[in-house]
Amino acid sequence: GENVEQHPSTLSVQEGDSAVIKCTYSDSASNYFPWYKQELGKRPQLIIDIRSNVGEKKDQRIAVTLNKTAKHFSLHITETQPEDSAVYFCAARTRGSQGNLIFGKGTKLSVKP
Amino acid sequence: KAGVTQTPRYLIKTRGQQVTLSCSPISGHRSVSWYQQTPGQGLQFLFEYFSETQRNKGNFPGRFSGRQFSNSRSEMNVSTLELGDSALYLCASRTGESTEAFFGQGTRLTVV
Repeated sequence: GENVEQHPSTLSVQEGDSAVIKCTYSDSASNYFPWYKQELGKRPQLIIDIRSNVGEKKDQRIAVTLNKTAKHFSLHITETQPEDSAVYFCAARTRGSQGNLIFGKGTKLSVKP
Repeated sequence: KAGVTQTPRYLIKTRGQQVTLSCSPISGHRSVSWYQQTPGQGLQFLFEYFSETQRNKGNFPGRFSGRQFSNSRSEMNVSTLELGDSALYLCASRTGESTEAFFGQGTRLTVV
């Protein structure tokens, strides 16, 4: 089955710096890669996603890149702000729309003012 | 549009007991997935139901089971509770054809 590895497990940056979180997946059939943000005590919420036919996607300060050959994808957050502090999860879905999401173990991002 | 609703929000149970958790998906969503969240282990997939049928299953023991009703509401049951079952249980719904999953607030289960 699919396995998703996520690094680092914790990340601390200064406000205004960039943050990068990396994930690798094992199943080459995976075709959908979302990123979720979970603030303390709250539910995970989708912040950006990418499909296997796209190499990069941006949404304001957030971007995701996908390398299908290497089977890894990354989340990039630029100009970090204290409200970006949260746990971020990457995930991969195989088997098209019928597959389930397999998550990485999460990255705790701390942005220091 | 109401979001995904999970009940109860908190539960305390004793080892050996059983527990049932409930998840009401967003209206029109036919798929409900369940996840166990523990510190350091992230979100571990339990199972997914679609149109009252289990469509996918994770690597959890048979003590964990679920079902889905005709109105797409889903329940998860854990029998013979163990201390290690203490966790936040999250459900997520989606339409079935789309890819984005929407999470509920979760049920915090504590086994003592």
